Amino acid sequence: EAAVTQSPRNKVAVTGGKVTLSCNQTNNHNNMYWYRQDTGHGLRLIHYSYGAGSTEKGDIPDGYKASRPSQENFSLILELATPSQTSVYFCASGGTANTGQLYFGEGSKLTVL
Amino acid sequence: AQSVDQPDAHVTLSEGASLELRCSYSYSAAPYLFWYVQYPGQSLQFLLKYITGDTVVKGTKGFEAEFRKSNSSFNLKKSPAHWSDSAKYFCALETTEGADRLTFGKGTQLIIQP
Repeated sequence: EAAVTQSPRNKVAVTGGKVTLSCNQTNNHNNMYWYRQDTGHGLRLIHYSYGAGSTEKGDIPDGYKASRPSQENFSLILELATPSQTSVYFCASGGTANTGQLYFGEGSKLTVL
Repeated sequence: AQSVDQPDAHVTLSEGASLELRCSYSYSAAPYLFWYVQYPGQSLQFLLKYITGDTVVKGTKGFEAEFRKSNSSFNLKKSPAHWSDSAKYFCALETTEGADRLTFGKGTQLIIQP
């Protein structure tokens, strides 16, 4: 069974603080993704990666950085967190048209006060 | 740029009824299309996909979807619906340009009343 795990599952941060959301996959997938889910917006792509050392901007990258140090790990970094970044963040792996399937993590709920 | 529209934010049905969740897309070529489901408090799970070939595709949990190029739609169907189908459903599109990224619709919240 494909597995994507995220940490932390819940995080409360202060405005201006630094937040790192981590994601680990044991699927050996090349592609990994970070989405945020907000009411009224569905899922929006923040950053993605094609493999170790690669990061690409998604549709809403402003205020976020990403890091892919290895095949298994993909982090999302908020250098200066703002209340507008309060959301649920989902990591996923997979995603080529040939496989047609993304495997999602459990989600990380971030609250920025 | 491509986009996905799910025009119904909420759908409520009685158990045993037929369900059809609407999805339309905007993309200049034939896309790859997907449906995902999110049960309360859970993450998203893959239901089915259309890549090419037969326009009716079957997926998990008894769902199927029909790709209609004529009106750029990919509606999700199931009959009969069960109360356990209550969840949020997302339609998604991947372009055939090789970028390997999905664009999601805003989702439809489905409530099946016993």
